[in-house]
Amino acid sequence: NAGVTQTPKFRILKIGQSMTLQCTQDMNHNYMYWYRQDPGMGLKLIYYSVGAGITDKGEVPNGYNVSRSTTEDFPLRLELAAPSQTSVYFCASSQLAGGRETQYFGPGTRLLVL
Amino acid sequence: KQEVTQIPAALSVPEGENLVLNCSFTDSAIYNLQWFRQDPGKGLTSLLLIQSSQREQTSGRLNASLDKSSGRSTLYIAASQPGDSATYLCAVIGVTGANNLFFGTGTRLTVIP
Repeated sequence: NAGVTQTPKFRILKIGQSMTLQCTQDMNHNYMYWYRQDPGMGLKLIYYSVGAGITDKGEVPNGYNVSRSTTEDFPLRLELAAPSQTSVYFCASSQLAGGRETQYFGPGTRLLVL
Repeated sequence: KQEVTQIPAALSVPEGENLVLNCSFTDSAIYNLQWFRQDPGKGLTSLLLIQSSQREQTSGRLNASLDKSSGRSTLYIAASQPGDSATYLCAVIGVTGANNLFFGTGTRLTVIP
């Protein structure tokens, strides 16, 4: 049981390039989330999904896109990378809504945009 | 908008000492409060989850309390060990809006052998 896995672990992008951050969970959780963590700051929600085919914006969605075609996968897409997107990105999942159980986090993807 | 604050930002203690980490939040309409541990370069690990109707939760040497009316929570760590060195984050989920956690900026704990 791997939990939540993320790839890649680290990536350097040039301004204007695009990439997809991958997230997969094997716990059959309905809810999945993408957060970003800037140095010295707390995590902020980018997008979330309550099930396959359903996604919604979080607090900081600009510059990102997501899709949820299966229960297991929740990729995050950066179309035109900007230096402001330099951050650590965490994917998380949970089975129940409303915080009735904890969210399980992946190990993170460190992204540097130059 | 919910704001979560953690003080102090960093704390160093000698091994064996008991310690308290603080968390405050501005909107008392929360579903629950959670404490997480984050090791350098790693993801977050949930330590304790307190539902809004509860006052405290305990797990081993950890005890978390919640005072919703005053917007405060504390994480008590007994008999600290060097392996407790990490960043501790608290987070709350509000009763309305997106199903997301509002995180504090964390307290970086160093336990000195």
